[in-house]
Amino acid sequence: GAGVSQSPSNKVTEKGKDVELRCDPISGHTALYWYRQSLGQGLEFLIYFQGNSAPDKSGLPSDRFSAERTGGSVSTLTIQRTQQEDSAVYLCASSQRTADTEAFFGQGTRLTVV
Amino acid sequence: DAKTTQPPSMDCAEGRAANLPCNHSTISGNEYVYWYRQIHSQGPQYIIHGLKNNETNEMASLIITEDRKSSTLILPHATLRDTAVYYCIAPRANDYKLSFGAGTTVTVRA
Repeated sequence: GAGVSQSPSNKVTEKGKDVELRCDPISGHTALYWYRQSLGQGLEFLIYFQGNSAPDKSGLPSDRFSAERTGGSVSTLTIQRTQQEDSAVYLCASSQRTADTEAFFGQGTRLTVV
Repeated sequence: DAKTTQPPSMDCAEGRAANLPCNHSTISGNEYVYWYRQIHSQGPQYIIHGLKNNETNEMASLIITEDRKSSTLILPHATLRDTAVYYCIAPRANDYKLSFGAGTTVTVRA
């Protein structure tokens, strides 16, 4: 595809359930980011996959959150035992891992935990 | 990241130039300055970036001071559609990680 694709675009889940959010980055982009944006708030960094280097997981808020990137392409963000405070828009971005190239963002997945 | 500081908000009149400042006094010599914006309910959008020289594209101009401690994003003729949160970022030179601060909320008024 031409851009970063995220699915689903909207997800409503019951408290305590697990959810998986998917990100399809731009082909060839070695860097992939996940961010969270709660209503009216800024972009909160979650995790950064940086090519062959170990991912930077420093932004994951708890051990209920995990992410993987298979084959250097598609990434999945998993939230276990969802809580109401997990409700937010989850944004994915990808870039070529160089100093001189921009990142491209998907439109996000809006997660609502009821 | 080199820490960046921006004013929390600013207003601009439609049709006038909008000048958005950013301080990045701890930036390293090989770290670029990037600008993104986020229009309500959309994902962030890249605007422009630069290292030392001033840059211009179809969206904006970027003016970087000679000492590289600050920069200004210029929207030459602001429109109502330019209302957004604007982020100034200086990704780390060792791993290019993007971290977003609070940005500047720009409101363009008719």
